[in-house]
Amino acid sequence: AQSVAQPEDQVNVAEGNPLTVKCTYSVSGNPYLFWYVQYPNRGLQFLLKYITGDNLVKGSYGFEAEFNKSQTSFHLKKPSALVSDSALYFCAVRPYSGNTPLVFGKGTRLSVIA
Amino acid sequence: KAGVTQTPRYLIKTRGQQVTLSCSPISGHRSVSWYQQTPGQGLQFLFEYFSETQRNKGNFPGRFSGRQFSNSRSEMNVSTLELGDSALYLCASSWDRVGLETQYFGPGTRLTVL
Repeated sequence: AQSVAQPEDQVNVAEGNPLTVKCTYSVSGNPYLFWYVQYPNRGLQFLLKYITGDNLVKGSYGFEAEFNKSQTSFHLKKPSALVSDSALYFCAVRPYSGNTPLVFGKGTRLSVIA
Repeated sequence: KAGVTQTPRYLIKTRGQQVTLSCSPISGHRSVSWYQQTPGQGLQFLFEYFSETQRNKGNFPGRFSGRQFSNSRSEMNVSTLELGDSALYLCASSWDRVGLETQYFGPGTRLTVL
């Protein structure tokens, strides 16, 4: 069965500094990976996804994620954090084949301090 | 294009009652999935509907049920409510079955069981 681990419950970063939100996964076969963001009292907003191809995926709002197959990781990154990036971030995975539902990590709360 | 809409946004019920939540997917989307989000368990998959048929079901008791109509709108029902059913219920839609499609989430229905 697939699983996702987000090892940090909370990440604090100063505005203007680079940020990284970590995600590791376990899945049979090739993975299909997502990042979503959730702002207070809102649903999840899609940021980016990896299906195949280039290991560096660019998404919305200046975010990008790097797929590393050997380390089974899909870390979310942004070169320069904004206070408005403060939110709850979710990584999700499913196998590339089949129609099993997405499995989400527990989420990482990002706090960007001015 | 309008996003996924969910009604109502907030609900307060008492134990033993039943509740029905509604989800209208993005126009043209045929797949609807439901998730339960709680602070302790994170995001857990409830079920997926496509072409009015339940395609996948998560590990929830039979008190949780759903359906999809011919216009792709979906409802989920929880009978005999328990305190532990208090959660944010999220609906997500995609053009096709979850497969390789990106799911887009609604704002959620916050259910409080007293």
